[in-house]
Amino acid sequence: QQQVKQSPQSLIVQKGGIPIINCAYENTAFDYFPWYQQFPGKGPALLIAIRPDVSEKKEGRFTISFNKSAKQFSLHIMDSQPGDSATYFCAASMMEGGADGLTFGKGTHLIIQP
Amino acid sequence: DAGITQSPRHKVTETGTPVTLRCHQTENHRYMYWYRQDPGHGLRLIHYSYGVKDTDKGEVSDGYSVSRSKTEDFLLTLESATSSQTSVYFCANSPHGQGHTQYFGPGTRLTVL
Repeated sequence: QQQVKQSPQSLIVQKGGIPIINCAYENTAFDYFPWYQQFPGKGPALLIAIRPDVSEKKEGRFTISFNKSAKQFSLHIMDSQPGDSATYFCAASMMEGGADGLTFGKGTHLIIQP
Repeated sequence: DAGITQSPRHKVTETGTPVTLRCHQTENHRYMYWYRQDPGHGLRLIHYSYGVKDTDKGEVSDGYSVSRSKTEDFLLTLESATSSQTSVYFCANSPHGQGHTQYFGPGTRLTVL
């Protein structure tokens, strides 16, 4: 199983700071990279996703940066708020070839302190 | 929105007993998935389905079976539960399959004593 390596495992940031979560993948056939946000007791919810034909995508305060040559992508949260405290998962899959599920990173537990 | 309900939401069972978890969707999406979530492992794919009666194994399928007799229902069965199967189980669906958004249900917390 191709891996997606996520770091850091946990992260504490002051309100207004910019937490950055990084992911690296091995399988060069991956071409869809979503980020999921999960609150305690809830299922993961799609936050933002990127395909490798762009190097950056922004949605509100959330930005994905993508480096295809390094096989890395990262999530940045601008002007972070205590309500952003959650576990974040990066994931990857291939657009073609079947119905396989996503390969997930192990998650980052983010705490935004007031 | 996933339009997914999972039942039961919580279950405690004993080692060696059979357990079936149910996933029901209201969206009629073709693709459905079962994942398990464990601390330090993230989410791992157990089985998935790409249509009625069409299923395939994921990364951690040993000890699990699935069935999909209707578009809206995807069942996960533990034939003989073991303590290593204590986990939170999530069902997900997708309208377009691989490379597209998956929507997750609320999860089932299963404890095997």
